[in-house]
Amino acid sequence: QKEVEQNSGPLSVPEGAIASLNCTYSDRGSQSFFWYRQYSGKSPELIMSIYSNGDKEDGRFTAQLNKASQYVSLLIRDSQPSDSATYLCAVKSNFGNEKLTFGTGTRLTIIP
Amino acid sequence: DTGVSQDPRHKITKRGQNVTFRCDPISEHNRLYWYRQTLGQGPEFLTYFQNEAQLEKSRLLSDRFSAERPKGSFSTLEIQRTEQGDSAMYLCASSLVGDRARNEQFFGPGTRLTVL
Repeated sequence: QKEVEQNSGPLSVPEGAIASLNCTYSDRGSQSFFWYRQYSGKSPELIMSIYSNGDKEDGRFTAQLNKASQYVSLLIRDSQPSDSATYLCAVKSNFGNEKLTFGTGTRLTIIP
Repeated sequence: DTGVSQDPRHKITKRGQNVTFRCDPISEHNRLYWYRQTLGQGPEFLTYFQNEAQLEKSRLLSDRFSAERPKGSFSTLEIQRTEQGDSAMYLCASSLVGDRARNEQFFGPGTRLTVL
């Protein structure tokens, strides 16, 4: 079982709709969760961080965390063509381990 | 620009040569990380520093790889006797220690290495 799993996609969503990206993780001790956006040929860009169960909203982005189910998701409302990118889920264990463990990413395409 | 910077952005080398990459973190950040990313994969952790101390190394970091962060400022990553399997994007990230910072890591633009 991979430590962090994401559906690789591609996920196609019409412009203006809600894009829903999912991530599961295996380490129950994980405490910090991050979503990065990565455009083709570019480096990852941090868009959301979440540490507590529930929802966290920032503009058109909402991150959702359920530690009991070991599940974290990212919702993008009013999707724009500029949201087309690969979205990486990253997880940090809380046991003195500072590295981020990434999933393989979900490729999102917004259809105009 | 106050973000993480990396140099060079691209490096093409022949198998067996040594290469060195540089990373300058965000100025107030005291942690610096190196990751490697290959096509279709997420970044994989290599090593990290807190100030000048190298605190963790991945088993991916073979003895051909060495990283330094003299004086706790910029960092270098050297690969000796490069192999074709070393071809990847090498990413540097930095973060600020402290509860409020919560280990948010910010990445530089990366150095793309091609080993021929």
